This record gives sequence, C-alpha cells and structure tokens, in this order.
Amino acid sequence: AQKITQTQPGMFVQEKEAVTLDCTYDTSDQSYGLFWYKQPSSGEMIFLIYQGSYDEQNATEGRYSLNFQKARKSANLVISASQLGDSAMYFCALHSGGYQKVTFGTGTKLQVIP
Amino acid sequence: GAGVSQSPRYKVAKRGQDVALRCDPISGHVSLFWYQQALGQGPEFLTYFQNEAQLDKSGLPSDRFFAERPEGSVSTLKIQRTQQEDSAVYLCASSPKTTGTGMAIEQYFGPGTRLTVT
Repeated sequence: AQKITQTQPGMFVQEKEAVTLDCTYDTSDQSYGLFWYKQPSSGEMIFLIYQGSYDEQNATEGRYSLNFQKARKSANLVISASQLGDSAMYFCALHSGGYQKVTFGTGTKLQVIP
Repeated sequence: GAGVSQSPRYKVAKRGQDVALRCDPISGHVSLFWYQQALGQGPEFLTYFQNEAQLDKSGLPSDRFFAERPEGSVSTLKIQRTQQEDSAVYLCASSPKTTGTGMAIEQYFGPGTRLTVT
C-alpha cells in the first residue's frame, strides 16, 4: 500500500522568505518516486519537482528544492524567496514502481503575505 | 505544443442523469490516468490506461463509473445515474512513460471538469 501524509493544512510565509512544506510517505517498494504539484485557484495541477528513490542528490528546480530523507521517509518541499504568485495549494504525491496508481496527499494551502 | 485538454470544463447534471467527460491527452502519450478531486481534497486515483488497455480500475467508486480509451488516445469517463456524491472535479493526466516498469513516471494534467450534481 502507498500512503502520503501532509500535516499542514495551511501555511503563511512573508514575501521573499523561504518556506518548507512537509510530506511523509509510506511504501514497501524499493523503487518509487515523489512528486510535488502546485494547484492555483484556477484548478490546474502544475508539476514542480521530482525525486527518485535511488537519486543520491536532493532534487532542485529553480526556487524549489526537495529535502529527501529516505530513512525518515520524508520529502519536504522548500520554496526559497517566496513570491505572491506562489500562493496556492501544494500536493505531495507518491508513485511506487510496482503500482499503477499515484497517491496524493491532502495538500497544504500556502499563502504568501506581502 | 498542446497540453492535455478536457471537455466540458463545467457540467451540471440532475441526479439520475448520465454524463460523459472527455480527455484529449498529449499526442503520443501512452499512459492516461483519471482522478476524482473532491472539494478541499487531493486527487484520488480512479483508473489507468496504457494505450487502449485499462490496466487498473481499482479506484472507480462504483459500477456506475466506466472509462474507455478505444484507440489509445482520447478517453471518456462515463458516470451513469449520477448522485450528489459524484460532484467533484475530474482530472485527466497523461504521461509518455508506462507504469509497472519499476520506475516512477511524471504526469501532465488537464484543467479538469467540474461536475455538479443537483
């Protein structure tokens, strides 16, 4: 079975500050991937960043980085230099190589304050 | 290039009506997923297609839900005798990669169809 837990329903961050969104996961597979998606109020799901279970380096994409701690089964998203346009729902997702389905967390609503 | 498109964007149905939701994936993408997203929740997996084959339909909530992808491109999600609990956003996603290879795959999402059952 696959499970994703996002314990922060909502977060506030000051513009230009960094923020960390938490994500823990559970899977019995050795090969899996973790994704973060952004969903603005318009509803579209926008892919942000991906981390493979065998990747030795933490993934980075521009202002987004993924703090991957395999032993703790956590995959936190760090957004640096927050912008007003970062205000949105953020979803962590898990895909285990042995499964067809992708499991999403319940999301964290991030609000950036000017 | 064109992304994933879905139609209609909004659908209002009276309880008991049948609805059909369409997904046009990115050209050449072999994998196609359907998700149901209730208000304030994350997407919940419904079903997965690899080309025209429906390899996983474990997430379909009842036998009123049916999905097809007859030619391996466009997919239709059909809901028969709609109920109020079917009200949600239905998301379609496609991927150039296939599942079951032991590797995780990235997905590209469409804008969704918001279904409201009255």
